Amino acid sequence: QLHLQESGSGLVKPSQTLSLTCTVSGGFINSGGYSWNWIRQSPLKGLEWIGYISQSGATYYNPSLKSRVTISLDVSKNQFSLTLTSVTAADTASYYCARDATRSGYPYYFDHWGLGTLVIVSS
Amino acid sequence: EIMMTQSPAIVSVSPGDGATLSCRASQSVNNNLAWYQQKPGQAPRLLIYGIFTRATGVPDRFSGSGSGTDFTLTINSLQSEDLAVYYCQQYSGWPLTFGGGTKVEIK
Repeated sequence: QLHLQESGSGLVKPSQTLSLTCTVSGGFINSGGYSWNWIRQSPLKGLEWIGYISQSGATYYNPSLKSRVTISLDVSKNQFSLTLTSVTAADTASYYCARDATRSGYPYYFDHWGLGTLVIVSS
Repeated sequence: EIMMTQSPAIVSVSPGDGATLSCRASQSVNNNLAWYQQKPGQAPRLLIYGIFTRATGVPDRFSGSGSGTDFTLTINSLQSEDLAVYYCQQYSGWPLTFGGGTKVEIK
């Protein structure tokens, strides 16, 4: 059974960089043609799709975050990662990694989610 | 960006009764509409995709309907375990967007 687990810094200072990793087990990140996604949730903005990376490394980022976001893939570790620069309090949220349910290589809807990790931006 | 609006924000239902949750898109999303259930302290769980196709393991008391811009999630014979927030999500255009959610409370 596929399992996704987020890890990374839970407390980040304003203007610094948020870094999270999603470790995938029970399947290989570079097989099946799935896309790998980051989604965040906050009381202010609700659920917000951050972006995705395909197994070939193609990416798309939400325009609202595009200038600050990078999603990368580490096939050797079966992980994908999120980097968000110049964070502010508005980036405080629970961050989820998720796999798209289709084998299209593109993000559509998500059938496997990590448990989520809370990131607080505060000095 | 396609905006998704859900109503009502909260619905209170007695066990055994039905609940109807609405989702409206700011433009047509064709059949590219999914529903999720999120219980307290958990990640969202995929319930329905393609407007009406139930995901694996989802009870048939959950059903989806609608077209174009207006969609409905119906929960028949509500059970206490259905206490959750329900979200719709469109995947017709990027960025993918979610509705604000409807909280289902048990009377």
